Amino acid sequence: GQQVMQIPQYQHVQEGEDFTTYCNSSTTLSNIQWYKQRPGGHPVFLIQLVKSGEVKKQKRLTFQFGEAKKNSSLHITATQTTDVGTYFCAGPSTGGGNKLTFGTGTQLKVEL
Amino acid sequence: NAGVTQTPKFQVLKTGQSMTLQCAQDMNHEYMSWYRQDPGMGLRLIHYSVGAGITDQGEVPNGYNVSRSTTEDFPLRLLSAAPSQTSVYFCASSPQTSGSSYEQYFGPGTRLTVT
Repeated sequence: GQQVMQIPQYQHVQEGEDFTTYCNSSTTLSNIQWYKQRPGGHPVFLIQLVKSGEVKKQKRLTFQFGEAKKNSSLHITATQTTDVGTYFCAGPSTGGGNKLTFGTGTQLKVEL
Repeated sequence: NAGVTQTPKFQVLKTGQSMTLQCAQDMNHEYMSWYRQDPGMGLRLIHYSVGAGITDQGEVPNGYNVSRSTTEDFPLRLLSAAPSQTSVYFCASSPQTSGSSYEQYFGPGTRLTVT
């Protein structure tokens, strides 16, 4: 079945360092979504990418969708303690519609 | 708008007990779904619904039942709780589409422990 993997599983950084998480799908995706989950909280939608090679920015966050539409990345510049949490990518599941297959997530910890 | 609400927030069950996790949304979303979250495994889809009266199985449906009698409510029933069902359960909703996918709005979650 469809698989969506993320690396790394965990990342500890010093505040001010950059951070990147990578998402790889076993199948071509029509779009990819990214969510953030704060510790003890629920996933919150960040962004959706649709076009091959698309790059979108939200302040210090840069999202990229691969040319083959099978991978994506999230890069955070100059991390802050507010960036702490787990970042998930998600792609449409086989069968279409709103069904999503979520990646395994990358847990980010930021130390002062 | 309250968005997506879930009750209870915490629950402890004994093996073999049954219970219903409640989920409601006030955004008039047609699509609703239940996920479970376990450490290192991301979010896995249990059941979903594309509208009132229509439900279908997700990736890990065994041991769970759902129904969708109204657009607003989508309860998840555990028939006979097992320790393997200890997890955090999230309900989510989104506008239904026939083609693309839309962002999903998640509830605050129910933390379930089965002893």
